This record gives sequence, structure tokens and C-alpha cells, in this order.
Amino acid sequence: DQQVKQNSPSLSVQEGRISILNCDYTNSMFDYFLWYKKYPAEGPTFLISISSIKDKNEDGRFTVFLNKSAKHLSLHIVPSQPGDSAVYFCAASAGQAGTALIFGKGTTLSVSS
Amino acid sequence: DAGVIQSPRHEVTEMGQEVTLRCKPISGHNSLFWYRQTMMRGLELLIYFNNNVPIDDSGMPEDRFSAKMPNASFSTLKIQPSEPRDSAVYFCASSPTGGIFQPQHFGDGTRLSIL
Repeated sequence: DQQVKQNSPSLSVQEGRISILNCDYTNSMFDYFLWYKKYPAEGPTFLISISSIKDKNEDGRFTVFLNKSAKHLSLHIVPSQPGDSAVYFCAASAGQAGTALIFGKGTTLSVSS
Repeated sequence: DAGVIQSPRHEVTEMGQEVTLRCKPISGHNSLFWYRQTMMRGLELLIYFNNNVPIDDSGMPEDRFSAKMPNASFSTLKIQPSEPRDSAVYFCASSPTGGIFQPQHFGDGTRLSIL
């Protein structure tokens, strides 16, 4: 049973518009959530994270929102750029540094110019 | 700073052969993780080490898979004998251990094809 789910395999957005990627989780013990971005033939690259004690974290064009009651998080990219086209993975962890991540299956974002 | 280094980048071998994947974590990172990515199952954890000690190997699919971390700067993942269903991309990641959570940093993976 998947503990972290990304229900949209793909998303297409026009350049300059907002991209919203969604993620749901089932394990209440998760206390850190992360988003990774992956280009073909490369490893996942850390993008942004959020602790369970917060409901929002922002870093430039990227904002992650956490709704603990709904067990849902989302990544907003504003404005979207063609270089943002990649696979985005949601991941979660229950514990301090050095514990494993549970990943969703990813959402492929395509940003057209 | 050098990131996580994996070798080889690509491996093609015949069924039944032994395969060894290698990983050098980021210096100072005491946690090392092996993940496997397939179309069906996505990114799944195989095993991870803290301070060279295996902590959780429940993701290792079968006894054909084994992993070692003889020192803080090197780890191997071995498959013996290999089977076609082992074909996947294998990623190694590292992070600091303990304290405030910090993200894992990934290598570029080894694409393994078993014929």
C-alpha cells in the first residue's frame, strides 16, 4: 500500500502560468516532506522541504503548502519556466536526519513556451 | 564539493552474472541509502546505513541482493545471480546523520540491464 501518492502522472502548463503539483500521504508519523526534481539520466535533486510544524515554506518561485488534517501537500511554481520541465517527486520521512524517505511515483511537468 | 558518485553509469550483462554497483557518498555524510527506480514501483528504498552499519534492509528484494559499507567513503550493492527483472536504475544517496532533518543528496544512478 502506497504511503505517499501522486495521483497525477503528468501536468502541462504554459510558460508564465502557475504549476500546482499535488501529493497525498497516509502515515501520520511523517514529520518532514520534501520535493525533488529529476531530469532524464540524472539523479533526483532536492528542491524544497517543509516540516510538519509549518503549513507553508517558500523559496523563490517555489512554495510548498502542507495541510496536515487532509494529509495533503502541494508544490506551487510561479511563474513556470520551460526549464522547470522535469519529473517531480514528493517524499516523506518520519524521523531525524539519517532516516529513509518514502517517495511518490512522480509527476511529469511539461512547461511550454 | 563533489556530490555522490556512482559507478558504473551503465551496466549491461547477461542473466546469471554477478553485478556490483559502487557508491561514494558526500564526505561527512554518515547515512547512505540505496534506492531502485522502476516504472512499476517508482523509487523504492532497498537498504540504508548509518555510520557504516545497516539499519534497515527490509527493502532488499531477495537473498540475491547484498550491500556492504566497509568504510565511510564507499558502499557496494551486489546482485548474484542477476535476473532480467533486476533491470532498473539504482540510485545511491547520502545525508548527515542525526539532529535536524536534512535532505538526501542523490548520485546520477546506475542504469542496469540484465539480458
